[in-house]
Amino acid sequence: DTAVSQTPKYLVTQMGNDKSIKCEQNLGHDTMYWYKQDSKKFLKIMFSYNNKELIINETVPNRFSPKSPDKAHLNLHINSLELGDSAVYFCASSQEKDPGLAGGNEQFFGPGTRLTVL
Amino acid sequence: QKEVEQDPGPLSVPEGAIVSLNCTYSNSAFQYFMWYRQYSRKGPELLMYTYSSGNKEDGRFTAQVDKSSKYISLFIRDSQPSDSATYLCAMRSGGYQKVTFGTGTKLQVIP
Repeated sequence: DTAVSQTPKYLVTQMGNDKSIKCEQNLGHDTMYWYKQDSKKFLKIMFSYNNKELIINETVPNRFSPKSPDKAHLNLHINSLELGDSAVYFCASSQEKDPGLAGGNEQFFGPGTRLTVL
Repeated sequence: QKEVEQDPGPLSVPEGAIVSLNCTYSNSAFQYFMWYRQYSRKGPELLMYTYSSGNKEDGRFTAQVDKSSKYISLFIRDSQPSDSATYLCAMRSGGYQKVTFGTGTKLQVIP
């Protein structure tokens, strides 16, 4: 019944490795996002996809590559992991609608993936 | 200067107190304003949403937007220990535009 799910929940890996995080939403939303939250709790958008099409790419290193096989899934692959990549990564989804309606394009967040690079 | 500024706290109040959380912003194009609550080791969840200026009330929570001052507030009345969380303000300019978050204010309500 989970609306937005992510796997894995925890990821501990060595510098230089390649890893993937998966995200799935069962809300029927047309837009999905990846956010990075650092140790100071600052939440920053990385990517946004609408109906499998990339619409926001926020100056993220090329080592990060999102992939959306369908509008219910948005995966994040990270090559050559660095120490600075350690953070919590959140997936989110939303459905664009009339801004006057309650909730606007409320974003529903997943539980997060805590990535630690050693 | 960051686009959205928010005092990180922590803010510690006794149970039953009125809590005031604030954010200032610099982008005059912002017109959608949100408050998210994030419990420890969980994802953020939407608490309040306001389109353009004005006030909005939902139970113990009131959101205020003053676009002329580029200032938004969240008031929590009769605060409860279960309100202890990090509160993030967020805003965006239009449809499909990115949401910009504040750094979050950590609130602790002491029984």
